[in-house]
Amino acid sequence: DQQVKQNSPSLSVQEGRISILNCDYTNSMFDYFLWYKKYPAEGPTFLISISSIKDKNEDGRFTVFLNKSAKHLSLHIVPSQPGDSAVYFCAASADSNYQLIWGAGTKLIIKP
Amino acid sequence: DAGVTQSPTHLIKTRGQQVTLRCSPKSGHDTVSWYQQALGQGPQFIFQYYEEEERQRGNFPDRFSGHQFPNYSSELNVNALLLGDSALYLCASSPGGTYGYTFGSGTRLTVV
Repeated sequence: DQQVKQNSPSLSVQEGRISILNCDYTNSMFDYFLWYKKYPAEGPTFLISISSIKDKNEDGRFTVFLNKSAKHLSLHIVPSQPGDSAVYFCAASADSNYQLIWGAGTKLIIKP
Repeated sequence: DAGVTQSPTHLIKTRGQQVTLRCSPKSGHDTVSWYQQALGQGPQFIFQYYEEEERQRGNFPDRFSGHQFPNYSSELNVNALLLGDSALYLCASSPGGTYGYTFGSGTRLTVV
């Protein structure tokens, strides 16, 4: 039973354009969501997060949108840069218990 | 400032054997979480240690056990290894009570 789903295994985007990564969840108890980026042979690195009381959070080129009614969140990267090529994971937590439930990841490829 | 250090980086074990993986948290972090990441999947929460006690546990059998030492470092032990235990094992540290996780690069365990 996958509670967090990233339905696109990969995404290819032109450098300079917008990258949009999507994540769906099923557990309505989730109250905190995080995005991580992972390069090969490295551990995941935190990118940006959002609490369920908000619908948008921005940090530089990264913006996360949360649609609670649709149980959907998305990560926007503008503009996309070659260094953004990595696997992106969506993770969620319920009731502030700090246990993260992860999606399977989306591999983002930025084309020059 | 050293981040999270995991050892060893790679390990090959035979089915039925036991293994111990080690993690040194980032300076200033007192909480350690362990995750298992199978190929092509997101990390799955194993357990979290705080103040030398297991604070939360995911859906893993008792073959998986851990320990946290007074200096906050941690060990993950897996007994009676199965082929399905082959995965990347990630350690994440955080300041207690926050989502500020820092991940190590992981230990790649192969069970043959």
